[in-house]
Amino acid sequence: EIVLTQSPDFQSVTPKEKVTITCRASQSIGSSLHWYQQKPDQSPKLLIKYASQSISGVPSRFSGSGSGTDFTLTINSLEAEDAATYYCHQSSSLPFTFGGGTKVEIK
Amino acid sequence: QVQLQESGPGLVKPSETLSLTCAVSGYSISSGYYWGWIRQPPGKGLEWIGSIYHSGSTYYNPSLKSRVTISVDTSKNQFSLKLSSVTAADTAVYYCARDGGFYGDFDYWGQGTLVTVSS
Repeated sequence: EIVLTQSPDFQSVTPKEKVTITCRASQSIGSSLHWYQQKPDQSPKLLIKYASQSISGVPSRFSGSGSGTDFTLTINSLEAEDAATYYCHQSSSLPFTFGGGTKVEIK
Repeated sequence: QVQLQESGPGLVKPSETLSLTCAVSGYSISSGYYWGWIRQPPGKGLEWIGSIYHSGSTYYNPSLKSRVTISVDTSKNQFSLKLSSVTAADTAVYYCARDGGFYGDFDYWGQGTLVTVSS
């Protein structure tokens, strides 16, 4: 099973700051890494697919990068509505797995 | 717009079978994609349970495989989850989602339904 390790677990950030979340895979997964945003009492929402591909309707301040084992989700100029937990997910091999999540709080 | 809606009992007794259905609208299951189930225990992270193709081909998480059955009914445009011999550890919000399969993402999700295992 591929383990995805996210860091940090929690981040408290001031609006307009830049946020960087990392996801490290226990073995190479190419670009089969996707990012989701989950707000309290809501279902996850796809933010970035295939490590760096943007999703229609998602604000351009969200971007992704990486390949192989190391991936990054960046939120440029954080807004209050971005308070949420962010998860990475790999679909390179079974079982599909998710990272443990990174909770982003707005100061 | 693709929409998914989970339905089923919110309370299941220990040792019994959890049964949920996911109704899909705005897209025909027969047109393609896999269709999956993911769960989230209260206050915890996400766990993929398994997925099914419209043909009935399935793949499951090995950690749950012995207890899980996922089926599809293309005539009703819905798919279902059965999880047998449940315990309190199976208490979770259960989500259905459209699954891009190998290398793919979960691009549409249902709102989720909380299933509590308790006597």
